Amino acid sequence: EIVLTQSPGTLSLSPGERATLSCRASQSVSSRYLAWYQQKPGQAPRLLIYGASSRATGIPDRFSGSGSGTDFTLTISRLEPEDFAVYYCQQYSSSPFTFGQGTRLEIK
Amino acid sequence: QVQLVQSGAEVKKPGASVKVSCKASGYTFTSYYMHWVRQAPGQGLEWLGVIYPSDGATSYAQQFQGRVTMTRDTSTSTVYMELSSLRSEDTAVFYCARRGGNSGFDYWGQGTLVTVSS
Repeated sequence: EIVLTQSPGTLSLSPGERATLSCRASQSVSSRYLAWYQQKPGQAPRLLIYGASSRATGIPDRFSGSGSGTDFTLTISRLEPEDFAVYYCQQYSSSPFTFGQGTRLEIK
Repeated sequence: QVQLVQSGAEVKKPGASVKVSCKASGYTFTSYYMHWVRQAPGQGLEWLGVIYPSDGATSYAQQFQGRVTMTRDTSTSTVYMELSSLRSEDTAVFYCARRGGNSGFDYWGQGTLVTVSS
């Protein structure tokens, strides 16, 4: 099983700042099968990034993904008030399709 | 537009079973894998398994083997997830999620809260 470890657990930033979220895998993950999701309270997760760096339909270009192998990053270039949420990475390369434990992005 | 609509909240006693449905619309039901993910209160996302609606093939996470069964009804474009031998730790919101080819889980149901309590 591929274990995904996200850091930091909580990130406190202000609107307008840049956010950098990390996801590290216990073994190499094909970058074609690494996704990022955003989840707000009481809502289902929303796909942001797939294939490590491709934005899903309707996702603003302030969201970007990068990385390969075991290290992946989600960057939000300038935080908007609606971006404060929990973010999860996921690998869907090999079963079980595991998720990271999440990074909570909170308003400073 | 693609929609996944799940059945309503359930309250079950320990040892019972629960069956959650997920009705798909807006796309070719048999062409996309459907996954199930759960989220315990205040916790992260946990993958349970997947079903391919075209032939009914399934794959389950090892920790749920023997307790989870996923099925589908192609006549109604509905997938089902049944979890048996429920315990309090199974209290969670259960989601169905479509895998959009190589693009991750692109559509999610609204979630179904399953509460296990005596």
